[in-house]
Formats: sequence, C-alpha cells, structure tokens
Amino acid sequence: GQQVMQIPQYQHVQEGEDFTTYCNSSTTLSNIQWYKQRPGGHPVFLIQLVKSGEVKKQKRLTFQFGEAKKNSSLHITATQTTDVGTYFCAGSGATGTASKLTFGTGTRLQVTL
Amino acid sequence: DGGITQSPKYLFRKEGQNVTLSCEQNLNHDAMYWYRQDPGQGLRLIYYSQIVNDFQKGDIAEGYSVSREKKESFPLTVTSAQKNPTAFYLCASSIVGGRQETQYFGPGTRLLVL
Repeated sequence: GQQVMQIPQYQHVQEGEDFTTYCNSSTTLSNIQWYKQRPGGHPVFLIQLVKSGEVKKQKRLTFQFGEAKKNSSLHITATQTTDVGTYFCAGSGATGTASKLTFGTGTRLQVTL
Repeated sequence: DGGITQSPKYLFRKEGQNVTLSCEQNLNHDAMYWYRQDPGQGLRLIYYSQIVNDFQKGDIAEGYSVSREKKESFPLTVTSAQKNPTAFYLCASSIVGGRQETQYFGPGTRLLVL
C-alpha cells in the first residue's frame, strides 16, 4: 500500500532560524495536503497542492509539490514560538471522491527563544 | 457555530469491555473518517464513510466497528478484540467531489485501558 514518510522526525531550532520538513511518497499522488497539530490538539488543515511543481506561500510558510508528484516540502522562514507543533503531510491517490488520505509520520518542531 | 464534536474527551476501558466513541458534525459533510494516533506517531485510518449507510475499512480496522445511520453521526466502537486500544482517536469529515478535499478534525478522544 501507499506509504508516506517524513524527515526529520524532530527538529529543535532557535527562534528566527529557518525550518524545513520533507515528505516522500512511495506512489504518485494526485494531491498533497499539509496539516499542523499543536501539542495536545488536533490536526488543522494548512494547504493543498495539486499541480506538479506547484509552489504556494502563506506568509512565512512555503509549500512545494515535486515535479513527479511523489514528494513535497514545507519551509518556514524565521521561525516563531507560535510555529511549535507537529507538521504532517497527507497524500491522496484520487480526486473527486472521499479518497483515503495517507498521513506521513510527521515532523515535530520545537522552537526556543 | 459549525464544527465537529467528539465525546468524551477521556475514556477508560476495562479489559473485555466494548466502548463507543461519539463523533457528530454539523458541517453538512458527506464523508467522515476515524483515525488512531499513537504517541509520537502519525495518523492511521480505521474506517471511513462516504455516504449514509455505507462505510469502508481503513488500514487498521481490526477490533473496531462503525455505523453511519445519520449524515451527522459516525460513532466508533472499540471492541474487546482490539488488544491495544490505548491511543488518541480523531474523527474528521470532508466534502465529497470538491476541488479541495480538506479534512476537518474534531478535538479527539483519549482512550485508556484500566
């Protein structure tokens, strides 16, 4: 079955440093979504990427979908303590249906002053 | 105020006992999902439903059962056959057939075995 891996598992940065998490799928994806889960909370949707090579930005966050639609990355510029949490990518093999999302293993980000 | 509610927040199960986790949504979403999250792990799909009176097994359905009698409700039963039920259970919902297949999550239920 489809597998989605993320690296690193954990990263600890000082406030102001940049952060990147990488997501790799064993199969080609129709789209990829990113979610953020704060400690003790539930995942919250950040963004969806659909097109090969697509790049989207949300303030300090930059999301990229690979040309082969098998990998993705999330880059945070100048991290803040509010960025603390676990970031998950989730891949889907089909569109237009309530298709199964396969979640990545997640990258836990810790930001200290 | 639209959203997904899950209850209870914490649930304790005794050995050999079946317990049912509630999930209700008023977002008018057709699809609903149940995930299990273990400490430091990602989310694994237990069951999902695209329409009332229909549901499909996810990746880890053994020891769990669901029903979808109403569009708004998708309860999950953790049966005694689930030998390691301690986990954080998350319910989610989404539209079907839209361009953006965002899943909206409830606050979760933490299940502990006594």
